[in-house]
Amino acid sequence: EDQVTQSPEALRLQEGESSSLNCSYTVSGLRGLFWYRQDPGKGPEFLFTLYSAGEEKEKERLKATLTKKESFLHITAPKPEDSATYLCAVHSLQGSARQLTFGSGTQLTVLP
Amino acid sequence: GAVVSQHPSRVICKSGTSVKIECRSLDFQATTMFWYRQFPKQSLMLMATSNEGSKATYEQGVEKDKFLINHASLTLSTLTVTSAHPEDSSFYICSASTGVGEKLFFGSGTQLSVL
Repeated sequence: EDQVTQSPEALRLQEGESSSLNCSYTVSGLRGLFWYRQDPGKGPEFLFTLYSAGEEKEKERLKATLTKKESFLHITAPKPEDSATYLCAVHSLQGSARQLTFGSGTQLTVLP
Repeated sequence: GAVVSQHPSRVICKSGTSVKIECRSLDFQATTMFWYRQFPKQSLMLMATSNEGSKATYEQGVEKDKFLINHASLTLSTLTVTSAHPEDSSFYICSASTGVGEKLFFGSGTQLSVL
């Protein structure tokens, strides 16, 4: 059974204070690892897909990296508007097409 | 990116009534859509996979007679919560894929409150 564990559950940062969110996964063959951002009362918004160990992707202040066991979402010099819950999800060879297993998320709060 | 529209965004109903939630892919055709349920501060739990023109596939523990799914066209899937009870109160989210790179795009969610 695929498992995704995210840490920490919650993170409070001062504006400009860089940090990283962790996503550890156990799957039987990784097809892809996804990062989403979710604002309160909204559906998840797609950020990144990573497919193989060593891969990195960047978007503005966010950078996602992937190893064989975990992924990190690095946030550089965050701003209050980066406050949201960040979800990690995996698509494995066991899952049917486009079926994802989600972690419980990291709730990020960036204080001005 | 692709747009998935979900309606309504919020619904309050009395216990015993039925509620229909619509999920539309606005600028692409989605042969497969997914329905998730999310409780406060918890992750998305897949309820069912909706395939156009065929019966939905339900996850273990999800009552198919209570959560009716219809995927009548390549751009529309509906979830009907029948005879709703307070324990059905939750945030329901649909998603669809363009099939390119396996990315999933999500609707904005529906907050269901059953009184």
